[in-house]
Amino acid sequence: EPEVTQTPSHQVTQMGQEVILRCVPISNHLYFYWYRQILGQKVEFLVSFYNNEISEKSEIFDDQFSVERPDGSNFTLKIRSTKLEDSAMYFCASREEGQYNSPLHFGNGTRLTVT
Amino acid sequence: GESVGLHLPTLSVQEGDNSIINCAYSNSASDYFIWYKQESGKGPQFIIDIRSNMDKRQGQRVTVLLNKTVKHLSLQIAATQPGDSAVYFCAETDNSGYSTLTFGKGTMLLVSP
Repeated sequence: EPEVTQTPSHQVTQMGQEVILRCVPISNHLYFYWYRQILGQKVEFLVSFYNNEISEKSEIFDDQFSVERPDGSNFTLKIRSTKLEDSAMYFCASREEGQYNSPLHFGNGTRLTVT
Repeated sequence: GESVGLHLPTLSVQEGDNSIINCAYSNSASDYFIWYKQESGKGPQFIIDIRSNMDKRQGQRVTVLLNKTVKHLSLQIAATQPGDSAVYFCAETDNSGYSTLTFGKGTMLLVSP
């Protein structure tokens, strides 16, 4: 069964450093998402991306965050200057086009630890 | 040990019991609902979904019930197994078109053999 893959599984970085989290969505999916989950809390929406542009973003997704689809397979989340409170699990998700209200398929996440 | 934020409601059942996990939502415009299962160290895994024009949907060993009047959603798991132990999240979206999901707080299901 096709799946969303994320790398790395764990990223440790120092405060103020830039990090790039990588995702390979399911190949025939065209809607892409980033969510995050702080330890023990619920999953929070960050951003959605469709047709090479951001379609929605939350208040969490400030100027320190950016997303990119650099080629036909990867979808990345960049945090320019990490803060301690950015420590969380970051989940990438994707959804098929043409299926209104179809489920998002999530990867297994990247655990980001900012020290 | 770390305990900040770890205040999930917990449902403890015996193997073979039926489990019912509940979820309340607040957005009257929500029209699509999904239950996800999250095992430790993994991403949310789709279980079952339901659209707002339905009040019940059944899958394999799982049933979702939707009561739009009181904005309540439940997940029923029949003959619960130890492998069902996980955190269960309900998620909902409205008809904005991009399917941005809003997740609930989650319920931890613990199944004892």
